[in-house]
Amino acid sequence: KAGVTQTPRYLIKTRGQQVTLSCSPISGHRSVSWYQQTPGQGLQFLFEYFSETQRNKGNFPGRFSGRQFSNSRSEMNVSTLELGDSALYLCASSLSSLNEQFFGPGTRLTVL
Amino acid sequence: AQSVSQHNHHVILSEAASLELGCNYSYGGTVNLFWYVQYPGQHLQLLLKYFSGDPLVKGIKGFEAEFIKSKFSFNLRKPSVQWSDTAEYFCAVNARDGGSQGNLIFGKGTKLSVKP
Repeated sequence: KAGVTQTPRYLIKTRGQQVTLSCSPISGHRSVSWYQQTPGQGLQFLFEYFSETQRNKGNFPGRFSGRQFSNSRSEMNVSTLELGDSALYLCASSLSSLNEQFFGPGTRLTVL
Repeated sequence: AQSVSQHNHHVILSEAASLELGCNYSYGGTVNLFWYVQYPGQHLQLLLKYFSGDPLVKGIKGFEAEFIKSKFSFNLRKPSVQWSDTAEYFCAVNARDGGSQGNLIFGKGTKLSVKP
């Protein structure tokens, strides 16, 4: 089975811009979760989608949003980018919310 | 609020030494427990998991972990480390109740450096 894929792998944006990241889960997985990884804060949960519905949201501002499509693919969007949004954004998929999560390689976002 | 503590930020060992990485969590309900590993330049991979049953679980590459409910701990062990075990190790918890399923809470990670 192919693993979780994320595109793009690297992204450079400037402050104030917006960005959309994409995630394709493992075939058959219906739950997709997003995490932000930074050296200072570690891995922090952003949100989780299951069957196109956001079921859980972390403690991030409303500039961070996401969605899931009927084929379970997911996108996350960050609007009005700030320097502090520079991070590795990880997507993980699982069969359900309680199963183990499989992670993609991440998208490295740099905000200048 | 749930939290996960990993006691060691950086551990340096020689090959063949034994490894134990500590992990404690704070949550009063039922949890699923995980250890993930991130090798240099690679993505997070699942090492092992505990859902229920035997509190001693075995994972890949000779790793094992023991869940001690009374201590809210899930320590990772390996009897003899190899240079290829150099990586960052993350403990994670998923509450099975309370409506926060799908939300993995991670520890800050422990960097393991194994000297050849």
